[in-house]
Amino acid sequence: GESVGLHLPTLSVQEGDNSIINCAYSNSASDYFIWYKQESGKGPQFIIDIRSNMDKRQGQRVTVLLNKTVKHLSLQIAATQPGDSAVYFCAENKGPYGQNFVFGPGTRLSVLP
Amino acid sequence: DSGVTQTPKHLITATGQRVTLRCSPRSGDLSVYWYQQSLDQGLQFLIQYYNGEERAKGNILERFSAQQFPDLHSELNLSSLELGDSALYFCASSVAGGVMNYNEQFFGPGTRLTVL
Repeated sequence: GESVGLHLPTLSVQEGDNSIINCAYSNSASDYFIWYKQESGKGPQFIIDIRSNMDKRQGQRVTVLLNKTVKHLSLQIAATQPGDSAVYFCAENKGPYGQNFVFGPGTRLSVLP
Repeated sequence: DSGVTQTPKHLITATGQRVTLRCSPRSGDLSVYWYQQSLDQGLQFLIQYYNGEERAKGNILERFSAQQFPDLHSELNLSSLELGDSALYFCASSVAGGVMNYNEQFFGPGTRLTVL
C-alpha cells in the first residue's frame, strides 16, 4: 500500500554538526512534500516544503532534497543547535483534491552538547 | 503560538461515551484539518473542511464526525469511544486548501483524549 516511512527512527548529532534525516515514500504520484518539526508537548510545526517539480529547496539552515527516481526525501539541518531537538516528520500529499497528507512515523533528533 | 486554539487541553472519559473537541482557526484561515496522533499509528489525517464544507477525507472512522461552522470554528465529534481512541487530536488551519493550492498548515496545541 501507499506509505511514507523513515529510515532512522532516532538520530543523535553533536551540536554544530549537520544533521540529515531521511524519508522514503512509495506513491510516485505524490506531488507535494512537507517536513514538520514537533517538539515535546506541542503540535507539528511546518519547516519546509517542496513540490515534485523541484529537486532541492533551501530555507534558513534547512535544505530539503527530493529524489523522485528512488522516491526519497531528505531534510538537512546545518549547524544543528540544541533547539533543533525534536521529532521530525515527512509528509506527502496524495492530492489532488484537498490536502490529504500521509505522514511518516517520525525521527527523533537529539542534539548532544 | 500558532494562532490556532483547541479546547479542551485534556479530556478523560469512559468507553462508550461521546466527546466533542473544538478548534478555532487562525484569523483569516478558511481551512481546518483534523489529525489524530497515537503511539502505534503515528500522525494521521482525519478530515478537512474549507469554508464550511467538507473538502477531503482521510482515515476517519464512521464513529467520528466533524463540522465547520459559519464563524469557521470546527468541532470533531467522537462517539462510542473505545480504548484505542486514546490519542492526541490536533487541529490545523490554513488560508486556503483547494485543488492544487498548497498552503502552510498551522497546528494547534492538541487535545489529549484518554479513554478509560
